[in-house]
Amino acid sequence: QVQLVQSGAEVKKPGASLKVSCKASGYTFTNYYMHWVRQAPGQGLEWMGIINPSGGSTSYAQKFQGRVTLTRDTSTSTVYMELSSLRSEDTAVYYCARGGTVTTSPPGGFWGQGTLVTVSS
Amino acid sequence: QSTLTQPASVSGSPGQSITISCTGTSSDVGSYNLVSWYQQYPGKAPKLMIYEVSKRPSGVSDRFSGSKSGNTASLTLSGLQAEDEADYYCCSYAGSGTFVFGIGTKVTVL
Repeated sequence: QVQLVQSGAEVKKPGASLKVSCKASGYTFTNYYMHWVRQAPGQGLEWMGIINPSGGSTSYAQKFQGRVTLTRDTSTSTVYMELSSLRSEDTAVYYCARGGTVTTSPPGGFWGQGTLVTVSS
Repeated sequence: QSTLTQPASVSGSPGQSITISCTGTSSDVGSYNLVSWYQQYPGKAPKLMIYEVSKRPSGVSDRFSGSKSGNTASLTLSGLQAEDEADYYCCSYAGSGTFVFGIGTKVTVL
């Protein structure tokens, strides 16, 4: 069965960088795009970016351009989300979510369990 | 890329129908038939309920339906049930490989 397993909770200081992993299993990793979505405490969902695990191409929300980097390791079927220059407003649960086979497919039926990131001095 | 506009809350009695609107612009909702809807319970990951405006994934109740007119998409919940009480988010493709979510709507079953 399809599973997305994310790395554990993190506490970071302002200005630091963050790297969250999302390990996929149960399907052909390179066939499906992967989205990253975050949710601040008590707030709504926020789309961050998408990666094509096949070629590694990416698209990012304008808000995160220059601060977020999505990468993948096809040998381990893992996608990584790196966010730099952290500030308190980046405190949130970060989710990976499988998309479809084309770039226009939204986050679909399979989501990671979420990774809580706390940014605090 | 601006957040799509949704009502903060919508409520209804069991058995009734409610509709949640999702208003974007001609750059997102209005340009693509690529609106999806998600249901989220507190502390849980979102669940895809509708994609491509009106298509339901396997296993999603036919009480959920979607539509779109111009820059506004809508999600209708028919035969409201207690289990439908949750947060609902719309999401639209916005071009150049990007997506945008709505601000979310809290559905209360009276």
